Amino acid sequence: EPEVTQTPSHQVTQMGQEVILRCVPISNHLYFYWYRQILGQKVEFLVSFYNNEISEKSEIFDDQFSVERPDGSNFTLKIRSTKLEDSAMYFCASSELGRAYGDTQYFGPGTRLTVL
Amino acid sequence: SQQGEEDPQALSIQEGENATMNCSYKTSINNLQWYRQNSGRGLVHLILIRSNEREKHSGRLRVTLDTSKKSSSLLITASRAADTASYFCATSQETSGSRLTFGEGTQLTVNP
Repeated sequence: EPEVTQTPSHQVTQMGQEVILRCVPISNHLYFYWYRQILGQKVEFLVSFYNNEISEKSEIFDDQFSVERPDGSNFTLKIRSTKLEDSAMYFCASSELGRAYGDTQYFGPGTRLTVL
Repeated sequence: SQQGEEDPQALSIQEGENATMNCSYKTSINNLQWYRQNSGRGLVHLILIRSNEREKHSGRLRVTLDTSKKSSSLLITASRAADTASYFCATSQETSGSRLTFGEGTQLTVNP
């Protein structure tokens, strides 16, 4: 069964460093998402992406964050200058269709980011 | 205000018993989805129910949706130890695109 994959599974970085989290969505899906979950808290939406542009973003997704689909398969989240509070599990998700069709979002296994 | 609040926060039952978890929300929705998360792991999609649906079944799972009360319930019948996990409801709101808004989750423990 097709699934969303994410790499790395765990990333440790120093405060102020740039990190890139990578995702491979399900191949025929058109909508891509990033969410994060700080330890012990609920999952929070960061950004959605469709047709090579951001379609929606939350207040968390500030200028330090960016997303890119560099080729036909990968979808990346970049954090330019990490802060301690960026430590969280980051989930990528994809869906075949969008909101109008009430579509299922399939999540990857997550990347645990630890900022020291 | 919280969108997607589950109750109870924690539920402990014996294998074979049924588990019921509830979710309430505050704004109009397009759909509501239930996910399972094993400790420290990814989110596994369980079931999606659209705003014009009232009940859906999938195996041992039964989901209901009451849009007049802005609430949903997830019933797991004949629970197994492997059902031990956190369960989250997530709503897609009419006014906020395709983003999902998650609740706090219910931690279900099924004792063998």
